[in-house]
Amino acid sequence: GAVVSQHPSWVICKSGTSVKIECRSLDFQATTMFWYRQFPKQSLMLMATSNEGSKATYEQGVEKDKFLINHASLTLSTLTVTSAHPEDSSFYICSARDRGRGLEDTGELFFGEGSRLTVL
Amino acid sequence: GQNIDQPTEMTATEGAIVQINCTYQTSGFNGLFWYQQHAGEAPTFLSYNVLDGLEEKGRFSSFLSRSKGYSYLLLKELQMKDSASYLCAVMDSNYQLIWGAGTKLIIKP
Repeated sequence: GAVVSQHPSWVICKSGTSVKIECRSLDFQATTMFWYRQFPKQSLMLMATSNEGSKATYEQGVEKDKFLINHASLTLSTLTVTSAHPEDSSFYICSARDRGRGLEDTGELFFGEGSRLTVL
Repeated sequence: GQNIDQPTEMTATEGAIVQINCTYQTSGFNGLFWYQQHAGEAPTFLSYNVLDGLEEKGRFSSFLSRSKGYSYLLLKELQMKDSASYLCAVMDSNYQLIWGAGTKLIIKP
């Protein structure tokens, strides 16, 4: 099946630094990727929808200048947490929709492994 | 507003059957998903229902009633590895996924 790879799995950084998380679709082209954040014991919260070649669509309450999303190719989207602070510590997960196999057919989103960010 | 409700936590015995319910109120409906998520890991897909009725896949089955805004996930022959959170998610009219908070399932020997 389709595979989405997310890197890094774990990252620890100092407050004020920036962290970049990569999300790659390994065996399919993803025109759309989704970035989620999940705090402990809470559900997935959609942060933004990343569209290849265009600006990301951010959910209400998500700071565009803080969470920079770039989807430069059909297989790669990146999330950069700029000037990270301890409250940004969370589990970040990306998912991708297979371009050639719509949700109407399989009903499946493919998730990356997730990236756990700890800001000291 | 849009809302997905599912129990916070359930406990069941190894080898038994458990049913996890999910009720929803959303702007439109384009399918309901169940995902399994082990602690510290990304969710993995279990099932997708868009028509009323029961979908069976091995030990797992999922049921949908659109008129009642209701679904359940049925797990049979429970194994210790089934201990996880089970997330219910509904795709609304804009094809956005609305997520429930998840049900933590604890399996006891």
